Amino acid sequence: DQQVKQNSPSLSVQEGRISILNCDYTNSMFDYFLWYKKYPAEGPTFLISISSIKDKNEDGRFTVFLNKSAKHLSLHIVPSQPGDSAVYFCAAMHTGNQFYFGTGTSLTVIP
Amino acid sequence: GAGVSQSPSNKVTEKGKDVELRCDPISGHTALYWYRQSLGQGLEFLIYFQGNSAPDKSGLPSDRFSAERTGGSVSTLTIQRTQQEDSAVYLCASSLKPGTNQPQHFGDGTRLSIL
Repeated sequence: DQQVKQNSPSLSVQEGRISILNCDYTNSMFDYFLWYKKYPAEGPTFLISISSIKDKNEDGRFTVFLNKSAKHLSLHIVPSQPGDSAVYFCAAMHTGNQFYFGTGTSLTVIP
Repeated sequence: GAGVSQSPSNKVTEKGKDVELRCDPISGHTALYWYRQSLGQGLEFLIYFQGNSAPDKSGLPSDRFSAERTGGSVSTLTIQRTQQEDSAVYLCASSLKPGTNQPQHFGDGTRLSIL
């Protein structure tokens, strides 16, 4: 049972434009959401998170939006840079319990 | 080092052999997780250790898989009688404090290949 879903396996964006990565979840008990970035042959690295009491969190070029009624979150990267090319995983948890990860979206930023 | 350390980084073994994978979490992190990522797939949860509580083993795919965490620090994941479908990258992660919103920090994984 996939509780966190990333329906787009890949995304290509021109350098300088906005990248929007989407994630849907099914468990209304989730109260903490995260995005991770993964380069080949490396472990995922934490990028940005959001608590369910917020609907937006911004950190530099990265902004995460949470729509609880739609059980949907998105990651916006603007402007996109070639170094952003990686696989992005969204994750969700109910505080104190295990994390659930999506299947990832491979982002390619074209110079 | 300051990060999560996993060893070996690569392991090639014959079908039917047992393998042991090691994870050294970040010092002071009380929560430890094991995941695996098969080719082209997402992160599959395996097991979760939280402090001194009984581990959440709900993700272990079969009884050939086991894990332990000694002294609340180092963890080993053991796969007995390996099968070709066990080939994957096995990732370990730790986080600071269970019960609070803290991100996980991942190691670089062990790439396991079963011949």
